[in-house]
Amino acid sequence: AQTVTQSQPEMSVQEAETVTLSCTYDTSESDYYLFWYKQPPSRQMILVIRQEAYKQQNATENRFSVNFQKAAKSFSLKISDSQLGDAAMYFCAYRGPSGNTPLVFGKGTRLSVIA
Amino acid sequence: NAGVTQTPKFQVLKTGQSMTLQCAQDMNHNSMYWYRQDPGMGLRLIYYSASEGTTDKGEVPNGYNVSRLNKREFSLRLESAAPSQTSVYFCASSEALRRAEAFFGQGTRLTVV
Repeated sequence: AQTVTQSQPEMSVQEAETVTLSCTYDTSESDYYLFWYKQPPSRQMILVIRQEAYKQQNATENRFSVNFQKAAKSFSLKISDSQLGDAAMYFCAYRGPSGNTPLVFGKGTRLSVIA
Repeated sequence: NAGVTQTPKFQVLKTGQSMTLQCAQDMNHNSMYWYRQDPGMGLRLIYYSASEGTTDKGEVPNGYNVSRLNKREFSLRLESAAPSQTSVYFCASSEALRRAEAFFGQGTRLTVV
């Protein structure tokens, strides 16, 4: 079974600085998707960014970018110019090659932003 | 634009009581899911339904049953609640595409005393 590991239960960053959240996963598949979700205190789950395994180019969405290392099975999230509104739980998730399979989530990283 | 709607948002049950969590989506998605979120455990899959008429167990199905009533609705039932089922429950849905994001409801905070 696929597993997703987030080794940092908590992280903190100064406002306007850059922070990187780590995620590793285990799979025998070659075709899959990876996702980062944000969960603010409101509990709402919000998609931050997604990456297709066959794309070598790292995905970017405004201040959010990923460092996808397929051989190392690593998928880290970089947040640039951190803002107070970035404070949240962040979950890394994996979906295999079939669109019918559910997302598998990591345990999450709680990010605090210090003013 | 409602998305995924879960009811109720909060619930307190006594041990041994039963209840059903309701979930409906208006995005015409084939796939629907139930997750539970516990501190330090992330989101764990309870059951999912890849399409109307099918359901499959996830990582933590014991103590739960599900019904995919139609394409829109996917309910989760606790037949005899236990304190270990105290959690936040999320319903989600997605298109049957591997790139598709899952859309989540607002969650149900359930406490079993």
